[in-house]
Amino acid sequence: AQSVTQLGSHVSVSEGALVLLRCNYSSSVPPYLFWYVQYPNQGLQLLLKYTSAATLVKGINGFEAEFKKSETSFHLTKPSAHMSDAAEYFCAVSGGGTSYGKLTFGQGTILTVHP
Amino acid sequence: DSGVTQTPKHLITATGQRVTLRCSPRSGDLSVYWYQQSLDQGLQFLIQYYNGEERAKGNILERFSAQQFPDLHSELNLSSLELGDSALYFCASSIRDTPNTEAFFGQGTRLTVV
Repeated sequence: AQSVTQLGSHVSVSEGALVLLRCNYSSSVPPYLFWYVQYPNQGLQLLLKYTSAATLVKGINGFEAEFKKSETSFHLTKPSAHMSDAAEYFCAVSGGGTSYGKLTFGQGTILTVHP
Repeated sequence: DSGVTQTPKHLITATGQRVTLRCSPRSGDLSVYWYQQSLDQGLQFLIQYYNGEERAKGNILERFSAQQFPDLHSELNLSSLELGDSALYFCASSIRDTPNTEAFFGQGTRLTVV
């Protein structure tokens, strides 16, 4: 079985500060990892995905994530937060067996950006 | 706009009733997924179809059923509704049914059971 743990249900940063959202995964097979963002009253939008091609993955809106197998982590970062980054972020894992692309999500991290 | 269309956006119904949620996938996508998002359970996978056939099943209740039609749209049927079924139901679609394929989500249907 696969699982994802997002450390910190709420993260608060100042505008211009570094954003770091933590994600650890558990998987018995090589995982595929995703970060999605959900703005209020909207669906989920893909930020980036790791599919084993490169450990450092760049996504949209200046976000990137690094896959670290030794730490079973896939943390999301952005060098400088913008007010428009305020949203809920979800880490998800897929892969192996009969998963057929279904995603197992973490509990989400709400990012607040202060002016 | 992800290209995935869900209707209706909001639904309010009484306990014991039955509702149908509809999803039109992105053009060209063969795989459709249904997820439930609630405050206590988070985002949970319900069921997946690929080109009309059921592919994978999550913790979907027996009161819930789904299907994917020849034109690839999908419907999620929820019956004998309970207060606890109130949630946001998302549909997602992808071009393939492989784990490395990104899924595109609709805006969801917010179901309120009263």
